[in-house]
Amino acid sequence: ETGVTQTPRHLVMGMTNKKSLKCEQHLGHNAMYWYKQSAKKPLELMFVYSLEERVENNSVPSRFSPECPNSSHLFLHLHTLQPEDSALYLCASSQGVGSGALRDTQYFGPGTRLTVL
Amino acid sequence: KNEVEQSPQNLTAQEGEFITINCSYSVGISALHWLQQHPGGGIVSLFMLSSGKKKHGRLIATINIQEKHSSLHITASHPRDSAVYICAVISSGSARQLTFGSGTQLTVLP
Repeated sequence: ETGVTQTPRHLVMGMTNKKSLKCEQHLGHNAMYWYKQSAKKPLELMFVYSLEERVENNSVPSRFSPECPNSSHLFLHLHTLQPEDSALYLCASSQGVGSGALRDTQYFGPGTRLTVL
Repeated sequence: KNEVEQSPQNLTAQEGEFITINCSYSVGISALHWLQQHPGGGIVSLFMLSSGKKKHGRLIATINIQEKHSSLHITASHPRDSAVYICAVISSGSARQLTFGSGTQLTVLP
């Protein structure tokens, strides 16, 4: 359960705030992921980092900005969010590299429950 | 229209029953994942399949690439199996995408 940690677990922010979500993996993996899970909607893959390669879902608005300073840490910087961005944001990691990492078993963090007022 | 459809959306079973959850997809895929999500949000990866069948404990996953269909079976179900089960496919081709189904809410009653 402590393989992938996320902080904070809960976050309430106004539309004009800037905040960051943090994810850390202690599994020695090479790939990390951000997912969004809105109520009544399927999981959506937002971003994938694998070593130096970033794979981005084209439908992610620019108010979400990922940062991966090294293979163990992943951030999601948030600014000028909308109420419809309220959701559970999940981080995951996996062993593989490049686009092949999607085939690997992913290990998920507990998520950050974000509420945008 | 979802590229990944799961059925049923909700399933209630009695403890001990054999359970089947289905996943159909409309795109060519290179692999398929089954995931389990417990109340509170925690997600566990159960299987990755590209062909055939895999078994882990009481869980069995099968895939038929030609028919674009996968099933997740739970034998001797138990209340602790109550969770949302999610199917996800990795599209084939140069632009790999991971697309999720809406999930099946399983409740196993004692």
